[in-house]
Amino acid sequence: DAKTTQPTSMDCAEGRAANLPCNHSTISGNEYVYWYRQIHSQGPQYIIHGLKNNETNEMASLIITEDRKSSTLILPHATLRDTAVYYCIVRADNAGNMLTFGGGTRLMVKP
Amino acid sequence: NAGVTQTPKFRVLKTGQSMTLLCAQDMNHEYMYWYRQDPGMGLRLIHYSVGEGTTAKGEVPDGYNVSRLKKQNFLLGLESAAPSQTSVYFCASSWSGGAADTQYFGPGTRLTVL
Repeated sequence: DAKTTQPTSMDCAEGRAANLPCNHSTISGNEYVYWYRQIHSQGPQYIIHGLKNNETNEMASLIITEDRKSSTLILPHATLRDTAVYYCIVRADNAGNMLTFGGGTRLMVKP
Repeated sequence: NAGVTQTPKFRVLKTGQSMTLLCAQDMNHEYMYWYRQDPGMGLRLIHYSVGEGTTAKGEVPDGYNVSRLKKQNFLLGLESAAPSQTSVYFCASSWSGGAADTQYFGPGTRLTVL
């Protein structure tokens, strides 16, 4: 699976949009971009995923560049409960393929 | 619908002791996974299963054994615990192993080996 690069940490003001970037310049055509988050040592929580097109769900939006070499996770109105480590993962469509977690971005939402 | 549950939540072992961690899911998922997470690190896959009666090695399988006798349960065993196995263990499940599929995680088991 392609390697991802994320900033180590970011701050965001409560109520503002949080934009978390991820670089995956070696991504292959069949690899999806996944975002998970982990709140204070709880089990990772799925947020969103996409292949080529931008995606939106009740939690977040995922913007993937046209060349697919980078993406941005957007939390439109961050709250204190969104403070967590956010993991960007690229994953190929192989049966039983694992999720490879890197260091992630530690997002701190401040009042 | 409880999702993915793990038993126990916490455990302290002495070096050389054995134990079994239990993972249960009620979503009728075919695939199940065991990960470990060391302090300040991301998750690493230990073993996984693509269906009842099957298991396969992940990234860090040494020192662990697994069994999937029932579709809803995935057991992780430590035969002779070592301090290096002090970690948080997470179980996950998914419908399939495909890239378009989502893995759902349990709350974790915090294991300390003295």
